[in-house]
Amino acid sequence: DAKTTQPNSMESNEEEPVHLPCNHSTISGTDYIHWYRQLPSQGPEYVIHGLTSNVNNRMASLAIAEDRKSSTLILHRATLRDAAVYYCILMRTSGSRLTFGEGTQLTVNP
Amino acid sequence: GAGVSQSPSNKVTEKGKDVELRCDPISGHTALYWYRQSLGQGLEFLIYFQGNSAPDKSGLPSDRFSAERTGGSVSTLTIQRTQQEDSAVYLCASSLDRFINEKLFFGSGTQLSVL
Repeated sequence: DAKTTQPNSMESNEEEPVHLPCNHSTISGTDYIHWYRQLPSQGPEYVIHGLTSNVNNRMASLAIAEDRKSSTLILHRATLRDAAVYYCILMRTSGSRLTFGEGTQLTVNP
Repeated sequence: GAGVSQSPSNKVTEKGKDVELRCDPISGHTALYWYRQSLGQGLEFLIYFQGNSAPDKSGLPSDRFSAERTGGSVSTLTIQRTQQEDSAVYLCASSLDRFINEKLFFGSGTQLSVL
């Protein structure tokens, strides 16, 4: 599976935007970029995914670099409930699983 | 139910005993996944089902681990002769199908403690 690299931790203040980076320099042309988050004592929760174009949904935006070697998850206004571990994952077209890395622990300060 | 249900939520067992963990996926979801998460770690893939068959069981750590799925619905993960290193949260997820555009929906997990 292609590897992703994320910072171990990030901090933000409530109601400010948060940009969570992910590097995936070995991404192949048909790999999808998925983001999940895991709140304390819960299973992971889907956030967003994309292939080449930037994507928006009610939870977040996903900005994908033109060369697809990196992406950024954007939370437009962080809330305390956004404090979680955020996972950036590549999903192969031939694959049958999502391989989770260590993720980024996001702390949101009031 | 509306989501993926796992039972029990907590299981404490003694080393050497067998345990069974149950997963009820979302109705109509054909793909089902088992992961485990040790304390403070990321998720480790165990096995994937499409319907009742398991085309990818490459993540099972040893032959003490097995899983089955019946009726294209409920799945059971069995760990025989449990060891202390088996202590972890075991997470189940399901998706509508196995295509890469499909979201995975996770249960809250079973916390397994082997004493």
